[in-house]
Amino acid sequence: KNEVEQSPQNLTAQEGEFITINCSYSVGISALHWLQQHPGGGIVSLFMLSSGKKKHGRLIATINIQEKHSSLHITASHPRDSAVYICAVLIQGAQKLVFGQGTRLTINP
Amino acid sequence: NAGVMQNPRHLVRRRGQEARLRCSPMKGHSHVYWYRQLPEEGLKFMVYLQKENIIDESGMPKERFSAEFPKEGPSILRIQQVVRGDSAAYFCASSPRIVSYNEQFFGPGTRLTVL
Repeated sequence: KNEVEQSPQNLTAQEGEFITINCSYSVGISALHWLQQHPGGGIVSLFMLSSGKKKHGRLIATINIQEKHSSLHITASHPRDSAVYICAVLIQGAQKLVFGQGTRLTINP
Repeated sequence: NAGVMQNPRHLVRRRGQEARLRCSPMKGHSHVYWYRQLPEEGLKFMVYLQKENIIDESGMPKERFSAEFPKEGPSILRIQQVVRGDSAAYFCASSPRIVSYNEQFFGPGTRLTVL
């Protein structure tokens, strides 16, 4: 079993829909990243959080440390949101990230 | 403010050649991390370096791979005698001085193709 599991693996939605991507992890962490990767492109850090909730524009990230679970929400989704979204955890006591397999999001116009 | 720089962006090598991938961290960042993304797979940690020190190389293959981060200049990931299985995207990230935890900022990646 992977230390970081994301669901769903693939998600297709219509423009304007509310999107939720989930991440569960099984190890002790000091922080969690949500990353965005466009096809053939680099990786952009969307959020780093260790508790509670963060919001940036149409993106919201939440984390529940007790349940070892985080969610990424996109409100009013747009085709330009189409990308792979990756959850990554910073292992407690170490400085390396462990990554989920990613969620491929496609938003159709 | 320049972000994390990686070069080259694309690198083609024939089997048996050497590949050198460079990473210049963000200004003021003294910690560098290398990650590898094999085709159709997730990202995997390779190595964590500070200036002149390898801190954690638990993700590095035991042979042919080495990394350095000299006092001056970029961090280098070196792959000797490349094989087709080394074809992947290699990402570098950097962070500032470690307090308890610090956000890592990623470079654009180097896409290595081994013919």
